[in-house]
Amino acid sequence: DAKTTQPPSMDCAEGRAANLPCNHSTISGNEYVYWYRQIHSQGPQYIIHGLKNNETNEMASLIITEDRKSSTLILPHATLRDTAVYYCIVRVATGQTGANNLFFGTGTRLTVIP
Amino acid sequence: DSGVTQTPKHLITATGQRVTLRCSPRSGDLSVYWYQQSLDQGLQFLIQYYNGEERAKGNILERFSAQQFPDLHSELNLSSLELGDSALYFCASSLGTGQPKNIQYFGAGTRLSVL
Repeated sequence: DAKTTQPPSMDCAEGRAANLPCNHSTISGNEYVYWYRQIHSQGPQYIIHGLKNNETNEMASLIITEDRKSSTLILPHATLRDTAVYYCIVRVATGQTGANNLFFGTGTRLTVIP
Repeated sequence: DSGVTQTPKHLITATGQRVTLRCSPRSGDLSVYWYQQSLDQGLQFLIQYYNGEERAKGNILERFSAQQFPDLHSELNLSSLELGDSALYFCASSLGTGQPKNIQYFGAGTRLSVL
């Protein structure tokens, strides 16, 4: 699996967009980018995933560069409840019968400031 | 609520003891994963089961074992406990075939304290 690099911490003002970068320069063609977050010792929570197109759901948007070597998770209007550690994970999607474990790096600790 | 249920929420025990952590996956999910999160190691994958069979193994100690039962719930057994085994243990389960693939939903975890 490709390795990812994320800044260790970021701050964001409440109500503003939070843009969390992730570098995955060794990503291969069949690897997806997944984002999870963990709010203070709770179980990690799935946010979004993508292969090469930009994706949006009710939680966030994922922008993947054309060369797929980096991506940005965007929380459009950050709230205090978005304070968490955000993990960018690159993984082949093998389907549920294969080995599907996730490798969580150190992530980015996002602090939303009132 | 992710739909993944872990029991107990908290467990306090002594060194040398044995404990069992239980996980009920989301309805319809066939894969179950166990992860350990300690302060100095972050989230570490331990083991994955699919429909009762072991599928992948991570950094799981020989003192630890797991199984997935016919009703798809899973148990993680930790024996000869040491102080360093104190951690949060998370269970996750993954959705069926088709998109989105490999989305894992995590339980709230079991906090194990070894004294």
